[in-house]
Amino acid sequence: KQEVTQIPAALSVPEGENLVLNCSFTDSAIYNLQWFRQDPGKGLTSLLLIQSSQREQTSGRLNASLDKSSGRSTLYIAASQPGDSATYLCAVPLPNSGNTPLVFGKGTRLSVIA
Amino acid sequence: KAGVTQTPRYLIKTRGQQVTLSCSPISGHRSVSWYQQTPGQGLQFLFEYFSETQRNKGNFPGRFSGRQFSNSRSEMNVSTLELGDSALYLCASRLGMMTEAFFGQGTRLTVV
Repeated sequence: KQEVTQIPAALSVPEGENLVLNCSFTDSAIYNLQWFRQDPGKGLTSLLLIQSSQREQTSGRLNASLDKSSGRSTLYIAASQPGDSATYLCAVPLPNSGNTPLVFGKGTRLSVIA
Repeated sequence: KAGVTQTPRYLIKTRGQQVTLSCSPISGHRSVSWYQQTPGQGLQFLFEYFSETQRNKGNFPGRFSGRQFSNSRSEMNVSTLELGDSALYLCASRLGMMTEAFFGQGTRLTVV
């Protein structure tokens, strides 16, 4: 069984600060890990997908790392902006299930204060 | 290119009724998955279809069903609605098994 935990559950930072969101998973037999962003009442926007063979993936101000052996991933957001305020979710595929059902953490709710 | 399209965006239904939600995946994507999101349980997997075949199913009662058409569009149906079925239902499409999942805007179902 795969369990995904995200810490902290909520985070409030002043604009311009660099921040790190954490994600941990219990079963390290994963093919990839995906980070999403969700605005209130909306769907999920894919931010980054890291394959198990990669250790890092970057997109603009976002950098995600993956350490399979320790069951951890981090999402680093540089120079945060008020527009970054949203809930951030990480997800990994359920092992031994054809790699498709995703198991999600409960998310980190980020508020960036101008 | 167009993203994942879910219709309708909002629905209000009465207990005991049934409902059908629709999802059109990104063009060329053959895998469609459905998820239920509630404040208490978070995001939970319902089922996945690939080339019109159900490939995986989550832990939901038989009142929840789905299908996929030859053009990859998918529908999910919930019969005999209960108050607890009120949720945001999200659809995701993928090109292949280990590729990125793209989600639609969701259908907000309220059961009264």
